[in-house]
Amino acid sequence: KAGVTQTPRYLIKTRGQQVTLSCSPISGHRSVSWYQQTPGQGLQFLFEYFSETQRNKGNFPGRFSGRQFSNSRSEMNVSTLELGDSALYLCASSATGTGSYGYTFGSGTRLTVV
Amino acid sequence: GQQLNQSPQSMFIQEGEDVSMNCTSSSIFNTWLWYKQDPGEGPVLLIALYKAGELTSNGRLTAQFGITRKDSFLNISASIPSDVGIYFCAGHTNAGKSTFGDGTTLTVKP
Repeated sequence: KAGVTQTPRYLIKTRGQQVTLSCSPISGHRSVSWYQQTPGQGLQFLFEYFSETQRNKGNFPGRFSGRQFSNSRSEMNVSTLELGDSALYLCASSATGTGSYGYTFGSGTRLTVV
Repeated sequence: GQQLNQSPQSMFIQEGEDVSMNCTSSSIFNTWLWYKQDPGEGPVLLIALYKAGELTSNGRLTAQFGITRKDSFLNISASIPSDVGIYFCAGHTNAGKSTFGDGTTLTVKP
């Protein structure tokens, strides 16, 4: 079956702009989580959606938001981009919704803010 | 919040050598997971551990769930060049939250 698909793979934006990233989970997976990865910072949890509801949220400012659609596809939005938002954004899907059996990650979207 | 201390941060080893890395926390986890991330890709699940004291192998990889439930270890035997990458531990609670370590970057010299 197809894996987790993230689009676009690469993105360059200017400071102050906003951006939307997309994630299509594995078919049948209802949980989607988003992570920010920067060098030396590991994987920082942004938020998790299950059946269109946000269940958990990390410690990121309100400029970071997300949503999940009825087909489980998810989008993440970052408004008023800052240089420090440059990172690899990873989406992960899970069948159980708890992640205890592991996540399947997409290849990520590499966002560069200039 | 919960934090994981993963060490070492990086390792430079010779092909054929064994590798050990670990994660520790002040919090108890119900599940420990180990992932590997290749350059330009997302992390891929290697091993999942569900019981304190559990020892699980996946080929040349062996991982253990610490008896206190606050730590986990990953060993790689007879390393090969394709073992290069970033290894992450992740602790998971029954409340549905996962916490990732900062990763161990492994470099294998042929």
